[in-house]
Amino acid sequence: EPEVTQTPSHQVTQMGQEVILRCVPISNHLYFYWYRQILGQKVEFLVSFYNNEISEKSEIFDDQFSVERPDGSNFTLKIRSTKLEDSAMYFCASTLTFFNYGYTFGSGTRLTVV
Amino acid sequence: TQLLEQSPQFLSIQEGENLTVYCNSSSVFSSLQWYRQEPGEGPVLLVTVVTGGEVKKLKRLTFQFGDARKDSSLHITAAQPGDTGLYLCAGTLGSGNTGKLIFGQGTTLQVKP
Repeated sequence: EPEVTQTPSHQVTQMGQEVILRCVPISNHLYFYWYRQILGQKVEFLVSFYNNEISEKSEIFDDQFSVERPDGSNFTLKIRSTKLEDSAMYFCASTLTFFNYGYTFGSGTRLTVV
Repeated sequence: TQLLEQSPQFLSIQEGENLTVYCNSSSVFSSLQWYRQEPGEGPVLLVTVVTGGEVKKLKRLTFQFGDARKDSSLHITAAQPGDTGLYLCAGTLGSGNTGKLIFGQGTTLQVKP
């Protein structure tokens, strides 16, 4: 069964530091997403990425956030200057087509900002 | 704001009982998906429904999409302790669709032996 792989599984960082969360989506998938889940809250959409560009981003995805697909296999989320409130589980997801097709989520990166 | 309201938020039942989880919205969704999420893991897809009135079965789980595509339900027959977990509904909207999923807040199910 193909998987979406996320690394690291857990990242602790100091406030103000930059972090890069990495994802390897399923190889033939075309649409890529980042979501986050603050402890005890619902899963929230951050950004969608298709054809090498952002197709939609949420209000959460401000100038501190950026995404990149540098080499056709990796999909990264960068937070430029982390804040305490960025502490959450971050999930990467991918799909071949979002119509009548499910999404595959990675196991997540738990980001703790101290 | 497009919202998916799930109910109940928590459900604790005995093994062998039946249960239904509901997912409701005032918005029309182009697709509705149900996921199961274990602690510390990502959501795992159970089913996708796209047609109003559609019913899909997965062993003891029955999923239904409302005729107007604004609501969905998950019914579990003869629940087992292995069904314990967090169940999430999530949908995609039709207009300006980028495939963004809007999630409900989840239903935590506990099935006691």
